[in-house]
Order: sequence, then structure tokens, then C-alpha cells
Amino acid sequence: EPEVTQTPSHQVTQMGQEVILRCVPISNHLYFYWYRQILGQKVEFLVSFYNNEISEKSEIFDDQFSVERPDGSNFTLKIRSTKLEDSAMYFCASSVETSSNTGELFFGEGSRLTVL
Amino acid sequence: EDQVTQSPEALRLQEGESSSLNCSYTVSGLRGLFWYRQDPGKGPEFLFTLYSAGEEKEKERLKATLTKKESFLHITAPKPEDSATYLCAVPSNQAGTALIFGKGTTLSVSS
Repeated sequence: EPEVTQTPSHQVTQMGQEVILRCVPISNHLYFYWYRQILGQKVEFLVSFYNNEISEKSEIFDDQFSVERPDGSNFTLKIRSTKLEDSAMYFCASSVETSSNTGELFFGEGSRLTVL
Repeated sequence: EDQVTQSPEALRLQEGESSSLNCSYTVSGLRGLFWYRQDPGKGPEFLFTLYSAGEEKEKERLKATLTKKESFLHITAPKPEDSATYLCAVPSNQAGTALIFGKGTTLSVSS
């Protein structure tokens, strides 16, 4: 069964360092997303991406964040200068249709980011 | 502001003991309500989509229902493998491609 894969599964970094989280969405999906979940908190929307550009982004997704689809398979989230409060589990997701239509997102297993 | 509230936060059941989880929402013009299951340390896994009041969806021991103000996830004769956090979500009216998730109900089923 096709699945969304994410790397790394866990990354520890120093405050101020750049981090890139990588995702390989399901191959025939058209919509890509990043969500995050701080320990014990809700799953929160960061950004959606369609047709090689950002569709929407939340208030969390400030200038320190960027996304890219560098080739036909990878989808990356970059945090330019990490802060302590960026520590969270970051989930990549993909879907065939926009999530507001069917709600059916396929999530990866997540990348846990720890900022020291 | 769009809001999704789930209750209870945690629920402990004995195997075979049926119960219901609640998801209430304050969203104008609901365009769908979605249920997910999340196992510890994993990403959410899609379960159901409900679009209109009165609609029901079933999958194994789970049945989701929707009213104009809330949704219920009924668990009939649960088994230990049903232990997980159950999340509900709605599309945001502010950002159409974003889902707003509730905090979830953590279900523990003991044998």
C-alpha cells in the first residue's frame, strides 16, 4: 500500500541552526501539506502546497519557514533559524483532492524535531 | 474563530464495553467533519468523512454520526487494538485547504 515517507524520524539541533525535513508524498497525489504537533497539543496546520506553489499558510508559518518541491518526488520543509518553540513532531501529508473536499489526508509517521 | 472541542480527554474501557466519543464544533457553514485515529508516535490515519446532519458511517466496531452541532464516534464492543487517540477535524473557513483538529480523545481498552 502506498504511503507517505518522512526523514529523518528524529533530529536534534541547536537553537539558531537550519533544519530541513524531507517527505516523499504518495506518487499520484496533487496536494501536499505540513502539520505540526507539539507534545500533548493539537495537530496544527502549517502550509498547503499545490501546483508547485503555496496554497495557504498559517500564522505559525512565518519567514523562518519555507517549503519546496525540488523534484517530482520530494517535498521539503526548511526552518531557517530554529527556536526552542519549534520543538515538535512535524507531519507531512498528501491527498488526491484538496483536504476541504474529502478530509482524506494521508499522513507520514512524522519527524520529531528537538531544539536545544 | 473556528473551534473543535472533543470530550472526554481520556476514556478507559473494558473489552466489550461500548461507549461514545464527542466532537463539538463552532464553524459556520460546515463543509465536512472528519475522524482520524492516531497511534502513539504515529501520524493520524483517516477514518471517516461526514457531510450533513443525520449522516452515519461505519467501519468495523466504529460508527460516526453527525448532527448540526456535534459528531459522535460510537465504539461497540471495543477490543484492546482499538486503543488510540481519536481526532476529529473540520475544514477551516479562514484557510480553505487547512484542517482544524481537536485535541483528541485517548481511548484505552483493557482485556
